[in-house]
Amino acid sequence: DAGITQSPRHKVTETGTPVTLRCHQTENHRYMYWYRQDPGHGLRLIHYSYGVKDTDKGEVSDGYSVSRSKTEDFLLTLESATSSQTSVYFCAISGTGDEKLFFGSGTQLSVL
Amino acid sequence: SQQGEEDPQALSIQEGENATMNCSYKTSINNLQWYRQNSGRGLVHLILIRSNEREKHSGRLRVTLDTSKKSSSLLITASRAADTASYFCATDSGAGSYQLTFGKGTKLSVIP
Repeated sequence: DAGITQSPRHKVTETGTPVTLRCHQTENHRYMYWYRQDPGHGLRLIHYSYGVKDTDKGEVSDGYSVSRSKTEDFLLTLESATSSQTSVYFCAISGTGDEKLFFGSGTQLSVL
Repeated sequence: SQQGEEDPQALSIQEGENATMNCSYKTSINNLQWYRQNSGRGLVHLILIRSNEREKHSGRLRVTLDTSKKSSSLLITASRAADTASYFCATDSGAGSYQLTFGKGTKLSVIP
């Protein structure tokens, strides 16, 4: 999957606990994105980054925060997980001038 | 809110037949892209068509774009069982950072 690694691949957690998902790329691409995929909703953008320490909100950012301290890593944090955040989370990357996205394999998160 | 909406939601055809999927969107776009997602995997980019293009081909794929109707279609010719997947259209409004807005997808089943 184009040099993108998401970890963990699967996680089960309890309501109210903090959760951090990691996306690691080896492509040196400038742009990184977090999407969530839910039945009936397709993919929705949570947050994105356009450079180290440069991030912005997407369509469904409430309850999520992100950090990018290095080009290769983009972290998604659920400060206090809720059942509505049960979803499949995808990281994607894009290079400057390359308008298409490359996706990771996803993280299946279950919040009980 | 979703920008692209695919139609139909599900499509079942015999191997060798053509498959057509449609996508409608709401606002002006810079480009429109199609992605494929095999079960349990990340999305894979198929083809990109820019707002000033009307038709594009890639192998067995043909994409059309009608900006006056804000719609696009993806045609897969001579389908194969390996084409079984979900197909998503995604629009780039040109807002920057290559942010894409995805539709809910069409689930294609190709019966051998």
